[in-house]
Amino acid sequence: EPEVTQTPSHQVTQMGQEVILRCVPISNHLYFYWYRQILGQKVEFLVSFYNNEISEKSEIFDDQFSVERPDGSNFTLKIRSTKLEDSAMYFCASSRDRDYGYTFGSGTRLTVV
Amino acid sequence: AQKITQTQPGMFVQEKEAVTLDCTYDTSDPSYGLFWYKQPSSGEMIFLIYQGSYDQQNATEGRYSLNFQKARKSANLVISASQLGDSAMYFCAMRVLGGATNKLIFGTGTLLAVQP
Repeated sequence: EPEVTQTPSHQVTQMGQEVILRCVPISNHLYFYWYRQILGQKVEFLVSFYNNEISEKSEIFDDQFSVERPDGSNFTLKIRSTKLEDSAMYFCASSRDRDYGYTFGSGTRLTVV
Repeated sequence: AQKITQTQPGMFVQEKEAVTLDCTYDTSDPSYGLFWYKQPSSGEMIFLIYQGSYDQQNATEGRYSLNFQKARKSANLVISASQLGDSAMYFCAMRVLGGATNKLIFGTGTLLAVQP
């Protein structure tokens, strides 16, 4: 069964450093998403991406964050200057069309120290 | 705005018994989808079951069924014949269909513990 692949599974970074979280969505999917889950809390929407541009973003997704689809397969989330409160599990997801179900990746656990 | 409420922070169930996890939702949109996801301790989000607002029948997927009561705005997940491997966090989620947004809104989750 096709899956969404996220790398790395765990990342530890120093406060103030830049991190790039990587995702390979399912190949025939057109919509891509990032979600975040702070430990013990609910999953929160960050951003959706379609046709090489951001289609929607949340209040959390400020100037510190950016997304990119650098080639035909990868979808990345960059956090420019990490803060302690960015520590969370970050999930990538993709869907075939707008109203189709999502497939989530297994997540990247980011720890900012 | 859409909202999902899961009022049970934790539940216990004996192995082989059925359990119901509650979920209520709020939206003014007539067309929406309801989802349940399982999150084991390893952290990944596993899709379990989907119910569309216009679906006439309650969704079922193996041991999972969704008790959809539209008038009450509830979408409870029923797990039959619980297994030890069902111990996990369960999230209810919804999204509006065909609208300006297609983001998923999640509830706060229910931690299910299956006891032998």
